[in-house]
Amino acid sequence: QKEVEQDPGPLSVPEGAIVSLNCTYSNSAFQYFMWYRQYSRKGPELLMYTYSSGNKEDGRFTAQVDKSSKYISLFIRDSQPSDSATYLCAMSAADYKLSFGAGTTVTVRA
Amino acid sequence: DAGVTQSPTHLIKTRGQHVTLRCSPISGHKSVSWYQQVLGQGPQFIFQYYEKEERGRGNFPDRFSARQFPNYSSELNVNALLLGDSALYLCASSRQGAQAMYGYTFGSGTRLTVV
Repeated sequence: QKEVEQDPGPLSVPEGAIVSLNCTYSNSAFQYFMWYRQYSRKGPELLMYTYSSGNKEDGRFTAQVDKSSKYISLFIRDSQPSDSATYLCAMSAADYKLSFGAGTTVTVRA
Repeated sequence: DAGVTQSPTHLIKTRGQHVTLRCSPISGHKSVSWYQQVLGQGPQFIFQYYEKEERGRGNFPDRFSARQFPNYSSELNVNALLLGDSALYLCASSRQGAQAMYGYTFGSGTRLTVV
């Protein structure tokens, strides 16, 4: 079993729809949770960072963490074609490494 | 302000050869990490260096090695290349010391193809 599970999709939505992404994990030591966006042939770009359980909102993006269920989510409201990318969840146990999910490929259709 | 820079951007090597990949962190960042991203998968941790010392190593064979220089730039070396080493190699830097909890800033990567 992988430490971090993420459905690779692909996910295709019309412009303006809400995009819902999620990851599950097995390592109880994870305390820090991140979402990265990766465009084709580019490195990942940090979108959201959350510590422990709870919600965090930044513009059109909302990140949720439920440590009791070992489940994290990212919601993108009013999605735009420029949001088309691969979204990676990542987690850390406050040590030196990030553990990533496989990434979900999202296409927002104009 | 320049981001994390990696060179070269693309590279084609033959099985059995050696390769050196280079990374310059963001100015002021003392931590450099290397990740391997195989097509269709998430990045996998290879190494982390902080203040020129190795702080962590992922589950990669001894063919993979790295070092960090006094100016905090870093090199990743891979010996005896295998077809399975074909991947995007990402370098990431952080100002927050050795810990990954605040996330990293990644470069655009070096795409290595082994034929």
